[in-house]
Amino acid sequence: SYELTQPPSVSVSPGQTAMITCSAHALATQYAYWYQQKPGQAPVVVIYKDTERPSGIPERFSGSSSGTTVTLTISGVQAEDEADYYCQSADSSGISMVFGGGTMLTVL
Amino acid sequence: QVQLQESGPGLVKPSQTLSLTCTVSGDSISSGNYYWSWIRQPAGKGLEWIGRIYVSGSTNYKPSLKSRVTISVDTSKNQFSLILTSVTAADTAVYYCASETVTGAGWGQGTLVTVSS
Repeated sequence: SYELTQPPSVSVSPGQTAMITCSAHALATQYAYWYQQKPGQAPVVVIYKDTERPSGIPERFSGSSSGTTVTLTISGVQAEDEADYYCQSADSSGISMVFGGGTMLTVL
Repeated sequence: QVQLQESGPGLVKPSQTLSLTCTVSGDSISSGNYYWSWIRQPAGKGLEWIGRIYVSGSTNYKPSLKSRVTISVDTSKNQFSLILTSVTAADTAVYYCASETVTGAGWGQGTLVTVSS
């Protein structure tokens, strides 16, 4: 089955920059979305359409895209950013929604 | 901003049918502004999309689940529903309903469904 590939974990110190990648063939033609999920809570979108940030999401969250890889960047990481992050896109047909396996961000 | 609330049994026996409902508030389910989806998450694992429905009644399902899944909409109650047949322990998960737009998905709080005898 079609999958999006993310690193299982990323660790950074407070104030540093965290970068989480997501790779898949169809990302060259399909938009990516990023969700933040804290323990016991539902996911919340932090980036949509590769690079757009919803209102209410801090400016330190940004997204970029290059070919078949998209990247979520969190600049000046804060303790409250510790969470699981999931990329989401569609398969090459644009029909089925697919998720990456998730990346656990640890703030040291 | 639309709000979503899942409801349904928290315990289902193996081989039986899982049935969940999502109640939508803050907008009409018939507005055409959203696709309505179901997504699940086994404990300690990642997110898995199950399928979606549009107000027209058109549906899309994850291919590996398609033979067991039905998603329907009840416009009179502003609700949409999930039916998953022939469940096994592997279907134990938190089930979320979600509203999809081009700006991403909004999620309900989720409901835990355990498959056990």
